[in-house]
Order: sequence, then structure tokens, then C-alpha cells
Amino acid sequence: DAGVIQSPRHEVTEMGQEVTLRCKPISGHNSLFWYRQTMMRGLELLIYFNNNVPIDDSGMPEDRFSAKMPNASFSTLKIQPSEPRDSAVYFCASRSASNRANTGELFFGEGSRLTVL
Amino acid sequence: AQSVSQHNHHVILSEAASLELGCNYSYGGTVNLFWYVQYPGQHLQLLLKYFSGDPLVKGIKGFEAEFIKSKFSFNLRKPSVQWSDTAEYFCAVCGYSTLTFGKGTMLLVSP
Repeated sequence: DAGVIQSPRHEVTEMGQEVTLRCKPISGHNSLFWYRQTMMRGLELLIYFNNNVPIDDSGMPEDRFSAKMPNASFSTLKIQPSEPRDSAVYFCASRSASNRANTGELFFGEGSRLTVL
Repeated sequence: AQSVSQHNHHVILSEAASLELGCNYSYGGTVNLFWYVQYPGQHLQLLLKYFSGDPLVKGIKGFEAEFIKSKFSFNLRKPSVQWSDTAEYFCAVCGYSTLTFGKGTMLLVSP
């Protein structure tokens, strides 16, 4: 299995530009999570999807952030417009649900390191 | 709401020293507990997990953790660390639905 695939691995952009991060979960996994990692705040859950439906987006910092999952094999996290404080590593993770709800291990992608100048 | 507290932000050890990283969680119901490791420049990988049964859980690379329900703790241990254990370690709790991570403990093992 290829694992969770994220792109781009690195992105450097200027303040005000639109940023789109992409994620392909592990085939067969039906839950997908977006996390942001910074030195100051650690790992923060931004949003997660079950069966392509957003379940909890309370971690999305503000309206500049949006996430979609048009199908089971693809998700995007978009920041528009980007700001320097958005600089972080963004991780996507996926999980397979089990009979006992939401106990499965999370599998993480390599992350997308975003730098907003 | 669930939360996780990791006691130390940075730990420095010499090779062969014993390791214990503290983790306390807060959640009112049944929890599943995890330790993840992030090697420099890499993604998070699962070290071990506790769902039920024996509260002493053994993971990969000689790591183990003990779930003490009365103390809401899930401390990570390793009897003898190696230089290759240099990494950041995250404790995580899953209550109802999502995984909540602690802020991480950076472990530096000097040769």
C-alpha cells in the first residue's frame, strides 16, 4: 500500500496568495483528518471527514480555510488568502472505521510544509 | 472535551539510559490511548496503542507504556535508549471520535 499521499511536500508562497494542499488517503479508509503542526501549538485537528462528509470543522481557524472531500480518494485543504501565521506543516491522516466506533489507528502522510512570506 | 498533557517538552539522555515520558489525559469515558513518534523530518508513526485488556502495552523498538486508569496516565518507557530514538514523541487520546494529541516531547539521545 502506498500510504497516505500528500502534495506538495513543500510550498513557499507570498502573503495573499491562494494555497491548495492535497491528500490521497489509504484505499479503503473512510475517515480523513487534516492536522496542522506548529512549534507553538503542537498538533491541532483542523477538520475531519467520515465517508466524505465533514463531521467536525471546529478546528478550522477562520473562514480563510476551507476543506473538501469530493470523493473517497481525494481531499483538499485551501487557504485563501494566505498569511504568514499560516506557516506550518499540514498533515493529512486516514483511518478505517471498525465495529467499535473510531478506535482505529491513524495513518499519517508525510506532510506539506507551508511557508508564507 | 478530551485533552492530553505531556510533562516534559524536552528530554536529553545519554545512550543506554532509561526513559520515561509522562502523559496524562482528561476524558470522562472510555478512552483509547496512543503513542506516536516523529523522527526528524518525517511523519508521525504509531509506537503503540491501548484499547483494552492488559494495561501494560508493548510496542515497537522496545517501547512500552502502562495505562493507569486511576491516575489518568499512559506513560511511555524504554529501559535503554539508543541514539536512533532521537525524535519527538506524542501521546494521544481518542474518546468519542477524534484523536487529540499532546504537545509532544522532544527526546535527544547523545551517543
